[in-house]
Amino acid sequence: QKEVEQNSGPLSVPEGAIASLNCTYSDRGSQSFFWYRQYSGKSPELIMFIYSNGDKEDGRFTAQLNKASQYVSLLIRDSQPSDSATYLCAVIITGGGNKLTFGTGTQLKVEL
Amino acid sequence: DGGITQSPKYLFRKEGQNVTLSCEQNLNHDAMYWYRQDPGQGLRLIYYSQIVNDFQKGDIAEGYSVSREKKESFPLTVTSAQKNPTAFYLCASQGFRDGRVYNEQFFGPGTRLTVL
Repeated sequence: QKEVEQNSGPLSVPEGAIASLNCTYSDRGSQSFFWYRQYSGKSPELIMFIYSNGDKEDGRFTAQLNKASQYVSLLIRDSQPSDSATYLCAVIITGGGNKLTFGTGTQLKVEL
Repeated sequence: DGGITQSPKYLFRKEGQNVTLSCEQNLNHDAMYWYRQDPGQGLRLIYYSQIVNDFQKGDIAEGYSVSREKKESFPLTVTSAQKNPTAFYLCASQGFRDGRVYNEQFFGPGTRLTVL
């Protein structure tokens, strides 16, 4: 089992819809979770981080964390074509210091 | 203007050559990381350094070497022992800023290495 798993997609949503991106992790002791956006050919850009169970909202983005079920999700409201990118989930694994372990990413396509 | 810089943006290497990728940060971060990304794949950790003059191997360190002589700099050398070096190389930093310790990592723009 991979430590951090994401569906590779592509996930296609129409403009204006809600995009839901999911990530599961294997280490029950993980405490810190991150979402990065990566445009094709560019480096990852931090969008959100979440440490506590529940929801965290920032503009059109909402991160949701459920430690009991070991998943973290990212919701993008009012999706725009400019949101089309690969979204990487990252987790700090217990015993790994402050290293981030990344999933392979989900490709999101927002269609006009 | 704080940030992380990587150079060069594109690098071409002949087989058997060693090449060094530069990574510099002026964020006063303690920790620095090197990742490799292959097409359609996630990030794999090559080496990391939590403090000056100390570094540890990541998951795919074979064929690579690093140094950390200054807090601001963490160069990566891709040696001839790395059999499949063509990839996108990303440097990141993490650490103390604005009075807090942060776990988030911030990335440089990357270096795309191609072996000819």
